[in-house]
Amino acid sequence: GQNIDQPTEMTATEGAIVQINCTYQTSGFNGLFWYQQHAGEAPTFLSYNVLDGLEEKGRFSSFLSRSKGYSYLLLKELQMKDSASYLCAVREVIKAAGNKLTFGGGTRVLVKP
Amino acid sequence: DTGVSQDPRHKITKRGQNVTFRCDPISEHNRLYWYRQTLGQGPEFLTYFQNEAQLEKSRLLSDRFSAERPKGSFSTLEIQRTEQGDSAMYLCASSFRTTESSYNSPLHFGNGTRLTVT
Repeated sequence: GQNIDQPTEMTATEGAIVQINCTYQTSGFNGLFWYQQHAGEAPTFLSYNVLDGLEEKGRFSSFLSRSKGYSYLLLKELQMKDSASYLCAVREVIKAAGNKLTFGGGTRVLVKP
Repeated sequence: DTGVSQDPRHKITKRGQNVTFRCDPISEHNRLYWYRQTLGQGPEFLTYFQNEAQLEKSRLLSDRFSAERPKGSFSTLEIQRTEQGDSAMYLCASSFRTTESSYNSPLHFGNGTRLTVT
């Protein structure tokens, strides 16, 4: 089974940096994903970590520590359009059935001018 | 690549009626997933297919829900005898997985079908 925790809401100022933490417990870890979801729209893929360390992609970076069951998404140089929900999702290996993705509740980020 | 498309975008139905939603995945994707999302929550896994085979179904899914992917391309999700608690956004996603390298692409989501049961 899965248990994924992330803060419900965060507020930050345009141009600043925000770090969204995610902790998880799983019996068969096979990768962690971050998705962005604007209100009323589909989740869109941001980043993927399967090994420990930092993955950087432009203004967004994601970090993973498998031993601690911990990840964070770092958003730099915040823009107003970054106001959205950010979903942490863990891929779990299901015996004989491949993989499935389980999502946390999402962190709503509000960027203020 | 036209993305994942879902139909209809919105559905309003009365309690007790049956509804069916359709999902067309990205054409080269062999995996297809159904998720349900309520306001302020993350997507909740319902079921998934590899080609035409339904490989897993959530224990939370009652037997009023059934999904099919008859030819390994589009999928339908049917809810029978709808209840007000079924009101949610139903999201479809697809991905590609190779058996040779075990590479599994990220899930690509459609815009969802918003169901309102009155």
